[in-house]
Amino acid sequence: QSVVTQSPSASGTPGQRVTISCSGSSSNIGSNTVNWYQQVPGTAPKLLIYTDNERPSGVPDRFSGSKSGTSASLAISGLQSEDEADYYCAAWDDSLSGWVFGGGTKLTVL
Amino acid sequence: EVQLVESGGGLVQPGGSLRLSCAASGFTFSSYEMNWVRQAPGKGLEWVSYISSSGRTIYYADSVNGRFTISRDNATSSLFLHMNRLRAEDSAIYYCARETGSTSSFDFWGQGTLVTVSS
Repeated sequence: QSVVTQSPSASGTPGQRVTISCSGSSSNIGSNTVNWYQQVPGTAPKLLIYTDNERPSGVPDRFSGSKSGTSASLAISGLQSEDEADYYCAAWDDSLSGWVFGGGTKLTVL
Repeated sequence: EVQLVESGGGLVQPGGSLRLSCAASGFTFSSYEMNWVRQAPGKGLEWVSYISSSGRTIYYADSVNGRFTISRDNATSSLFLHMNRLRAEDSAIYYCARETGSTSSFDFWGQGTLVTVSS
């Protein structure tokens, strides 16, 4: 059981907007910034969003992040087939003195 | 170009030991914090260990504390993970990941090395 929870799956059709949520606690998301990682099956994870809502160079602006209290969200607009992947949120946990990852959300593009 | 290349994975018996390495290039290794993250087959990501840029500050996940040791050699731009008393549940792909202090995120990952613990 992950300290940070995510819905196990999400889906959408091309062009749609999809939101993936991430729920934590006061010791992790509530007091530290959230990062999001994208992992295409069979490849290494890739940083998608950092510091709650910032995009690294090269990440399309279709991807956006937000945070409120102890929850965070990743939104993908204009869904494309290449967005089909697993998405993980992560934050530092002050109580555990370590990083915690959400359990991951598998996004399917129908 | 930033590169992280893990090595040292393989098949090991329960109770055995293994040392993973991560060779870094394309950036000033000594300026960055580093982490190990693992992923069991068909499962999600699990953070394993952190080491500061100097090596003076180290953290471990409870699941490996007391069995795994993280270390680094800034002279050779290398990161290591010494794994002892291995269990079946330690079987996973192990990734090294660079942590950027300014953003507190893992901005570059290696391709991973597979560890299988089985008799």
